[in-house]
Amino acid sequence: DQQVKQNSPSLSVQEGRISILNCDYTNSMFDYFLWYKKYPAEGPTFLISISSIKDKNEDGRFTVFLNKSAKHLSLHIVPSQPGDSAVYFCAASDSGGYQKVTFGTGTKLQVIP
Amino acid sequence: DTGVSQNPRHKITKRGQNVTFRCDPISEHNRLYWYRQTLGQGPEFLTYFQNEAQLEKSRLLSDRFSAERPKGSFSTLEIQRTEQGDSAMYLCASSPPTGIHGGYTFGSGTRLTVV
Repeated sequence: DQQVKQNSPSLSVQEGRISILNCDYTNSMFDYFLWYKKYPAEGPTFLISISSIKDKNEDGRFTVFLNKSAKHLSLHIVPSQPGDSAVYFCAASDSGGYQKVTFGTGTKLQVIP
Repeated sequence: DTGVSQNPRHKITKRGQNVTFRCDPISEHNRLYWYRQTLGQGPEFLTYFQNEAQLEKSRLLSDRFSAERPKGSFSTLEIQRTEQGDSAMYLCASSPPTGIHGGYTFGSGTRLTVV
């Protein structure tokens, strides 16, 4: 039962353009959402998060949008840079930011110079 | 503080052997988590400690798996009688008492290969 779904296994974007990574979830109890970035041979690194009481959170080039009615969130990266090339995981928590987190399967982003 | 440290980085073992992994969290973090990641999948939750108390265990954590966190500092994850299906990256993460609003801090993981 995949409660957090990332339906695009990969995405290629030109440097300088916008990258949009999508994520859907099925568990309506999720109240906190996070994005992680992972480089090969390293652990995931926290990128940005959003509480279910918000619909947008921005941090520099990264913006996360949450559409609760559609159970959908997206990560926008503008402008995309070659160093952004990595696997991006969407994750969700049903405990207000405590305890366990449920991860999606990841989207591999390639930013082409 | 150098972050979350995991040892060893790689472990190759024969089927049926026991293995133990160690995780040293960030010193001021009282919460510690173990996850497992297989190829093409996201990390899957295994277990969670708050200080020395193991508060939650996933059904993925069979009887062959045991985790400890004595004195609320480092943690160990032991797998007994390893099987080929145990081959995966085992990730440890920690977070401060305020929860994960800033996200976990993950270690680099221990890659287990069972042959």
